[in-house]
Amino acid sequence: NAGVTQTPKFQVLKTGQSMTLQCAQDMNHNSMYWYRQDPGMGLRLIYYSASEGTTDKGEVPNGYNVSRLNKREFSLRLESAAPSQTSVYFCASKDRKQTYEQYFGPGTRLTVT
Amino acid sequence: GENVEQHPSTLSVQEGDSAVIKCTYSDSASNYFPWYKQELGKRPQLIIDIRSNVGEKKDQRIAVTLNKTAKHFSLHITETQPEDSAVYFCAASTDRRSWGKLQFGAGTQVVVTP
Repeated sequence: NAGVTQTPKFQVLKTGQSMTLQCAQDMNHNSMYWYRQDPGMGLRLIYYSASEGTTDKGEVPNGYNVSRLNKREFSLRLESAAPSQTSVYFCASKDRKQTYEQYFGPGTRLTVT
Repeated sequence: GENVEQHPSTLSVQEGDSAVIKCTYSDSASNYFPWYKQELGKRPQLIIDIRSNVGEKKDQRIAVTLNKTAKHFSLHITETQPEDSAVYFCAASTDRRSWGKLQFGAGTQVVVTP
């Protein structure tokens, strides 16, 4: 099992450009999450999907959109990137029925100039 | 919503000594408290967690204690080793109401010097 995978690993965007961060999990988990990590601020939840077909805002949703494409995939879209969105983005997933542990992907380091 | 505060932000210990990291939370309905370890450039990984019906949990050199009345929980690492150097995050969740949403603390950079 690959666990949680994310693409790309690194990305540099100019202000105003758009892009989609991809996340996939092969553990048959129901719930998936997108976090951003900034120095000194821990991990902050952007959006989550409790199950296939549902999405909900987290703590810092402004400037982002998400799509739960199917049970495996959960994408995060930046429509018009801003320097304030420079961050490391982590996707995570969890099996709602079994345990409470969230499994994280390797992260995407995004720089917006 | 839930607010989690974590202290200290940095912790330097000599190899073999103990390290303690403390977190407080605001929502009395929180019932799940995990600790994640993140090595430089890597993803966060769960090292130990505790549910609200338990006061203490231990796994080899790491332990977590929970005081529901005071709304705080702590991570204890004994006999620290250089490989314990990392950033540690505490988190809290009201799992039943919020589909496992975690509110993280700001993190503690632990440096273990040989």
